Amino acid sequence: SQELEQSPQSLIVQEGKNLTINCTSSKTLYGLYWYKQKYGEGLIFLMMLQKGGEEKSHEKITAKLDEKKQQSSLHITASQPSHAGIYLCGADLWGNEKLTFGTGTRLTIIP
Amino acid sequence: SQTIHQWPATLVQPVGSPLSLECTVEGTSNPNLYWYRQAAGRGLQLLFYSVGIGQISSEVPQNLSASRPQDRQFILSSKKLLLSDSGFYLCAWNRGSNQPQHFGDGTRLSIL
Repeated sequence: SQELEQSPQSLIVQEGKNLTINCTSSKTLYGLYWYKQKYGEGLIFLMMLQKGGEEKSHEKITAKLDEKKQQSSLHITASQPSHAGIYLCGADLWGNEKLTFGTGTRLTIIP
Repeated sequence: SQTIHQWPATLVQPVGSPLSLECTVEGTSNPNLYWYRQAAGRGLQLLFYSVGIGQISSEVPQNLSASRPQDRQFILSSKKLLLSDSGFYLCAWNRGSNQPQHFGDGTRLSIL
């Protein structure tokens, strides 16, 4: 089983709608990182969360880490075509700076 | 500012041939360096990790090896490629503890 579960695997959202992607671990996370990937390209760093209850925002994207540090969510408000891509969460599960990644959520924005 | 370069972008190799992928980082010193493989429909798998010149940690047994001949250079190699080595290879760096990793543009490797 995956140590880091992402849901949903894919998401089709109408432009302008809000959406949420989740990332869940059975272990307490030392750090949680959100990335975005366009097909065939490298990962672009979005946000890093380290403290329980932490929340960060950048433009229309908000990421949260729960108090237990086992679940994170990425919320996009008023989605735009530029938000389309694959979103991956990466987590430090062992406190050794090595990241375990989820399998990703493919986001499609339709007009 | 820091930048990471990976090449080539695309590579098609026959089974049994050697491999050398290169990654360099500019604008920083003594970075941590990482090689990942991303197979279709799967997440990123950490292959190798380096905290300094000549220091390589292998995460999974495989047909590949890594070397770090210079502070900001990380090389992924194989003596004989297998079909199962196909995939998208990504290099990344960070400054150390509790710092985000930054990724190169990747190399898509196809084995024929």
